[in-house]
Amino acid sequence: DSGVTQTPKHLITATGQRVTLRCSPRSGDLSVYWYQQSLDQGLQFLIQYYNGEERAKGNILERFSAQQFPDLHSELNLSSLELGDSALYFCASSTRARGSDTQYFGPGTRLTVL
Amino acid sequence: AQKITQTQPGMFVQEKEAVTLDCTYDTSDQSYGLFWYKQPSSGEMIFLIYQGSYDEQNATEGRYSLNFQKARKSANLVISASQLGDSAMYFCAMREGMDSNYQLIWGAGTKLIIKP
Repeated sequence: DSGVTQTPKHLITATGQRVTLRCSPRSGDLSVYWYQQSLDQGLQFLIQYYNGEERAKGNILERFSAQQFPDLHSELNLSSLELGDSALYFCASSTRARGSDTQYFGPGTRLTVL
Repeated sequence: AQKITQTQPGMFVQEKEAVTLDCTYDTSDQSYGLFWYKQPSSGEMIFLIYQGSYDEQNATEGRYSLNFQKARKSANLVISASQLGDSAMYFCAMREGMDSNYQLIWGAGTKLIIKP
């Protein structure tokens, strides 16, 4: 158990809908990262927050947004869902935002868009 | 060009044998970090080992060691005395530009199956 929690574990929804994925980092970790793992694209970095502020952006679509709250938990919002958004979404956390910091991953949320 | 290349899509290894999983990387940065993660069939991503570009010693964590050859830009994972529970996908990842770029760049992974 990495100490990172993600809810829900599974999510099934329809095209055009909006969903919110939630992540709680390890105790004491200030940095949160979101990743998408799909069969055709592999693992893709989406976005990173550090202590409430956006720090880095990767291949995140405009239909997706995220935020980190004062209690350091983070939410990833996915809207106007398409079939291609079906994937495993990981949240990871690290102590700070230094390059040598290890990112510890949550169990993931498996999103299925029908 | 691929930043992280894992040339072995799949491997079968006899239990108790040592395993080497290949990873080569491409970067022009002097400062970078290399990570290995394990993903069992249950889906979670488990951190195994880290090697910094300036680390002089090869990293080791229990049965895991990293064969870091900087000139060849390779960072192979070695698992000693393999166990059935080692069957999983293994991913190599790199972080470049340690001070400002925090994202991990991932290889395609190697599926390792340990045979009893």
